[in-house]
Amino acid sequence: DAGVTQSPTHLIKTRGQQVTLRCSPKSGHDTVSWYQQALGQGPQFIFQYYEEEERQRGNFPDRFSGHQFPNYSSELNVNALLLGDSALYLCASSFGGLADNEQFFGPGTRLTVL
Amino acid sequence: GNSVTQMEGPVTLSEEAFLTINCTYTATGYPSLFWYVQYPGEGLQLLLKATKADDKGSNKGFEATYRKETTSFHLEKGSVQVSDSAVYFCALTFNAGNMLTFGGGTRLMVKP
Repeated sequence: DAGVTQSPTHLIKTRGQQVTLRCSPKSGHDTVSWYQQALGQGPQFIFQYYEEEERQRGNFPDRFSGHQFPNYSSELNVNALLLGDSALYLCASSFGGLADNEQFFGPGTRLTVL
Repeated sequence: GNSVTQMEGPVTLSEEAFLTINCTYTATGYPSLFWYVQYPGEGLQLLLKATKADDKGSNKGFEATYRKETTSFHLEKGSVQVSDSAVYFCALTFNAGNMLTFGGGTRLMVKP
């Protein structure tokens, strides 16, 4: 049983460009959350998708957007990249979005903005 | 808003030493509390959790007790191993959706 998978593993972009990161949830999970982890810091919640809709959103600008597909996989899009967007982007999946249901994290995508 | 504060690292211990990593939180209401561990090059793994006051979470020799009176959830292990070297994150969430709020992380280095 595959866990949460993310692609690509690493990505290098320049300021002003746009990027799309992808996540496939663990089998049986229907909820996907995205987190940004800057170097040396804890992850910060970006948003959560459930039933193909954004259900919760953290304190991130509209440049950060997402999508969830009918197969529950998800994309994170970041427009107009800034140097400060350089971070490890983590995807987590769970079932039903309840606090008692464990979130499983993927290995992350390392984004470097030059 | 909600926040989690952890002791800064790195924490460097010898094998078989006792470990404590402090975690305190600020929240409106009574959240669920978690410890996650991140090994080099990997994503976060849930280590243990507690969902109400006085609950004790435990796993792989690690323990943490939900202390409502001190708003704390300190992580302890009686005898650390080299393989415990990792970054540990304390986190909280509420039942209405499971958005996690993380602390800054504490790096643990265990020397043989």
